[in-house]
Amino acid sequence: QSVLTQPPSVSGAPGQRVTISCTGNSSNIGADYDVHWYQSLPGTAPKLLIYGNNNRPSGIPDRFSGSKSGPSVSLTITGLQAEDEADYYCQSFDSRLSGWVLGGGTKLTVL
Amino acid sequence: EVQLVESGGDLVQPGRSLRLSCVASGFTFDDYAMHWVRQGPGKGLEWVSGIGWNSGTINYADSVKGRFTISRDNAKNSLYLQMNSLRPEDTALYFCAKDMGLIGFGGSDYWGQGTLVTVSS
Repeated sequence: QSVLTQPPSVSGAPGQRVTISCTGNSSNIGADYDVHWYQSLPGTAPKLLIYGNNNRPSGIPDRFSGSKSGPSVSLTITGLQAEDEADYYCQSFDSRLSGWVLGGGTKLTVL
Repeated sequence: EVQLVESGGDLVQPGRSLRLSCVASGFTFDDYAMHWVRQGPGKGLEWVSGIGWNSGTINYADSVKGRFTISRDNAKNSLYLQMNSLRPEDTALYFCAKDMGLIGFGGSDYWGQGTLVTVSS
C-alpha cells in the first residue's frame, strides 16, 4: 500500500488531455513538501518530468504540467502522443517516515 | 554529462548478503544527497534508502531497516548499499538516484540504469 495514492490507470486518445492525481496527507504533501513526477518504462531508469510541484526540467515539453492544491497534486498531459504511453509516479518527502514516499504508479494508455 | 553506473547485482540465496555500488560522474558528488530506489518484478517504484551529502542524514524504508546499510565515499564519487539477510521479496532492479538537494528532501534529476538483485534458492 503506497503512502501516496494514484489511480492505477488512465487513458486517452492522441491529441487529448489526461490528468493524473496524487493524494497524500499531512506528513507529506499536506506538510508542503514538494512533489515530483517521473515517467517510467518497465526495466528502465525513471525520467524526471516535473519537480517542485510545477517546474519542468529542460528538455521536457510544455505539454506536461503539474499543479498542487492542499494535500493533492496533479500531472496534466495535453496533446497526447503515442510515445507518452508509460507509467507515471509521484514522489514527495514524508516527515513521519523520514524518507521519500512514492505513489503506486499510474499506467497511461494512449488509445 | 551526468552518469550513474550501478554494479553488484547478482543471484543470491535467501539469508545471504550483497553489496551494491554506484559510481557517479559529471557533477560534484558531495554537493548532493543520494538514494537507492528499487522496482520489483511487475511492481512500482519503492524508495529504499537515502543519504545526505556528508552522510549526516541517513534514512531507510521500514522494509529494509536493520538489514540494509547505505554509505558513500565522496573521495571516490561512490554510493553503496550493503544488503544483509536478503529475502525473496528483495528481488528487484535497484536504481541509484541523485537528489536535487543536499539533505534528501528533494526529487531526483538523474537515475542510473539499475542493477538486478535476485534472491532465490
